[in-house]
Amino acid sequence: GIQVEQSPPDLILQEGANSTLRCNFSDSVNNLQWFHQNPWGQLINLFYIPSGTKQNGRLSATTVATERYSLLYISSSQTTDSGVYFCAAVDSGNTPLVFGKGTRLSVIA
Amino acid sequence: GAGVSQTPSNKVTEKGKYVELRCDPISGHTALYWYRQSLGQGPEFLIYFQGTGAADDSGLPNDRFFAVRPEGSVSTLKIQRTERGDSAVYLCASSARGPPNTEAFFGQGTRLTVV
Repeated sequence: GIQVEQSPPDLILQEGANSTLRCNFSDSVNNLQWFHQNPWGQLINLFYIPSGTKQNGRLSATTVATERYSLLYISSSQTTDSGVYFCAAVDSGNTPLVFGKGTRLSVIA
Repeated sequence: GAGVSQTPSNKVTEKGKYVELRCDPISGHTALYWYRQSLGQGPEFLIYFQGTGAADDSGLPNDRFFAVRPEGSVSTLKIQRTERGDSAVYLCASSARGPPNTEAFFGQGTRLTVV
């Protein structure tokens, strides 16, 4: 099945800094989602982005399906952005979402 | 309901006991998924329902794990003869249709602790 790799595994930022999180996948994808897992464990949907670019406030995401990667951009980071960011993909075999191991982000005031 | 609801939020059970975890999906969603998340890891797929039937149960670790969705809405994950290694957060998700072209939404999870 598809392999999903995320980098970096850990990231510490000063409040106000920008960051880029990367998700690489081993096969072509039919679906790709980015999630933020808050300190209470809730997975919050950020983007449903099998291809192209989307923006939502300070967050944006780009998926380049032909090159098998997706990027999540966080601008002007805030302490409330802290948590774990997961990328998850559905491959061409249409199996349910396969998750990466996540990027743990800590934003310091 | 407005979102995916899971009960209980926390469950502590003794080794060898039987447990049931419940998931109430978003109203109208035909697809329902169970995942398990261990500390420091990403969620791992267990089973996927399309309507009442299990479309893919390849992630169930062994025959102690079983799930049902008898009316195509609420689902119950059942674990027999629990072991300490079953301790994890069990997550449920639903989507309007099955994969691939549909966004999945997750509940808050049930934290299972086997002592």
